[in-house]
Amino acid sequence: KNQVEQSPQSLIILEGKNCTLQCNYTVSPFSNLRWYKQDTGRGPVSLTIMTFSENTKSNGRYTATLDADTKQSSLHITASQLSDSASYICVVSERGSTLGRLYFGRGTQLTVWP
Amino acid sequence: KAGVTQTPRYLIKTRGQQVTLSCSPISGHRSVSWYQQTPGQGLQFLFEYFSETQRNKGNFPGRFSGRQFSNSRSEMNVSTLELGDSALYLCASSLERGSSYEQYFGPGTRLTVT
Repeated sequence: KNQVEQSPQSLIILEGKNCTLQCNYTVSPFSNLRWYKQDTGRGPVSLTIMTFSENTKSNGRYTATLDADTKQSSLHITASQLSDSASYICVVSERGSTLGRLYFGRGTQLTVWP
Repeated sequence: KAGVTQTPRYLIKTRGQQVTLSCSPISGHRSVSWYQQTPGQGLQFLFEYFSETQRNKGNFPGRFSGRQFSNSRSEMNVSTLELGDSALYLCASSLERGSSYEQYFGPGTRLTVT
């Protein structure tokens, strides 16, 4: 069964600290993996997208890694800011699929305290 | 270029009523997808429309329906509302079909059923 599991479910860190969010998936065959940031009451916004051949991608202070062999991805946030407080959602798609075959994690709720 | 817009942003309905939500995709985008987001289930795929035709459908009852117009604008309808339909309904547009195309989400419509 194709699934996406994220951990931790929630995380609290102090401003300026780094953190890493995890995403494990069983989706096969794999096409790509996206990380989204969703602020409270808003729609998700794409941070990174990685295909099978990519193992790291950065977007400012956000760095995503992908290990397609172990089917694991992580999102590392450097020097966190208050504005990083949001839900981070991992989304995996099947190769050759249409949008109906996206698999969503339930997200990690990150809170950054001053 | 304007982003995805959804109207209304907030809605309160009572059980048994019906509701229609509207989504205007990014100009030039032809694919529109709808998602339901609840704290317990996360993001769940409702359906996808492309060229005025429903291309994919998630595991939701027939009370949930939608349509797409020739200008790619889309509407979603929920009939005989139940308390469990309370959720954030997100619309996302992409240039074409296929999981390799980036999806851009709207801000969502917050539906509360009392």
